[in-house]
Amino acid sequence: EAGVTQSPRYAVLQEGQAVSFWCDPISGHDTLYWYQQPRDQGPQLLVYFRDEAVIDNSQLPSDRFSAVRPKGTNSTLKIQSAKQGDTATYLCASSRTGVEQYFGPGTRLTVL
Amino acid sequence: GEKVEQHESTLSVREGDSAVINCTYTDTASSYFPWYKQEAGKSLHFVIDIRSNVDRKQSQRLIVLLDKKAKRFSLHITATQPEDSAIYFCAASPLSGSFNKLTFGAGTRLAVCP
Repeated sequence: EAGVTQSPRYAVLQEGQAVSFWCDPISGHDTLYWYQQPRDQGPQLLVYFRDEAVIDNSQLPSDRFSAVRPKGTNSTLKIQSAKQGDTATYLCASSRTGVEQYFGPGTRLTVL
Repeated sequence: GEKVEQHESTLSVREGDSAVINCTYTDTASSYFPWYKQEAGKSLHFVIDIRSNVDRKQSQRLIVLLDKKAKRFSLHITATQPEDSAIYFCAASPLSGSFNKLTFGAGTRLAVCP
């Protein structure tokens, strides 16, 4: 069974630039989560989906962040006008039962 | 909202000894407590979990204890090996239907020394 895949693995931006992260969950997993993991901290939930529906996006840091999962499979997380404080690793996870979550390798973002 | 505190930021043990990592949580509604391992440069990997209907669970060398009264849970790694060296994260969630909104601790960096 293929795991959760994410791209790109790394991104380096200047402040004010936009960036998108892409996630392909494990086949058959209906629930998809996006986390932000600042350096030396635990992951912090940003948003999660059941199929194509957003269940909870209340933890997205600001309206600069948006996430979609239009067909209930792949998902994109976008940051408009990135700031230095957005520097972190962005993790995608998926689950079938809603319980055990399987994490992807993450995208390490650096905003200069 | 839920807050999870992981008490040890770093832990160093000798190979063969046991390691114990302690976490506390604040939300009495939390009922699911997983542990994840993150090796250097890699993502999180599920290791073991416990639900609130039991107070102890064991999987090979891993034991998880849950004290609901104290809102405390712990991971015990017995007979540690060098490959146990990693960052361990505890998490808590109030399971609601089929969704699992995890709140993570800050992580414990475990070093197993030969």
